[in-house]
Amino acid sequence: GESVGLHLPTLSVQEGDNSIINCAYSNSASDYFIWYKQESGKGPQFIIDIRSNMDKRQGQRVTVLLNKTVKHLSLQIAATQPGDSAVYFCAENMDPNQGGKLIFGQGTELSVKP
Amino acid sequence: NAGVMQNPRHLVRRRGQEARLRCSPMKGHSHVYWYRQLPEEGLKFMVYLQKENIIDESGMPKERFSAEFPKEGPSILRIQQVVRGDSAAYFCASLQGTGGNEEKLFFGSGTQLSVL
Repeated sequence: GESVGLHLPTLSVQEGDNSIINCAYSNSASDYFIWYKQESGKGPQFIIDIRSNMDKRQGQRVTVLLNKTVKHLSLQIAATQPGDSAVYFCAENMDPNQGGKLIFGQGTELSVKP
Repeated sequence: NAGVMQNPRHLVRRRGQEARLRCSPMKGHSHVYWYRQLPEEGLKFMVYLQKENIIDESGMPKERFSAEFPKEGPSILRIQQVVRGDSAAYFCASLQGTGGNEEKLFFGSGTQLSVL
């Protein structure tokens, strides 16, 4: 079936370095993508989103890149901090009439070493 | 402006008992989504409700699970005769509308259900 998946289940980086978390999706009909951060015992926290008519979007210290040709999504975190340690999920939406119906990837655990 | 509120945060039930999970959406939001998260996995969509209507329950198990979002009060996810495999974190999220116009989906803190 169609799914969203992540290339790396775990990622360990040094504080201050940049982090890149990758995600592959298989549904070409998806037109909205979101990255969420989930800390232990908490709900997913919205980080940044991007629509299929864009290939890059920047936020504060975060950038999302979308490559529709190869169905690839990435999250870049600049100057990674210990507080960035969490599990990161990409998610996709295929139905604009159900904007909250998302397909989540498995997740990548980001560990930041001080 | 409170976010999405879920209670209880933790719920322990024995096999065969009923579990009732509550979700109060953000103020002004009338669209509610429930998700389930098993350990070390991503969230899985369960059901989408609007006030007094179930819009999409394609992710709900066919038996023992039900959801409602009454005109007044919180949305309820009900699991009857719980089994150990129901142990998971259940998250609720809400939207003001159907999701266009740059609406963002915000999640509650979840209810961790443990079945003994």
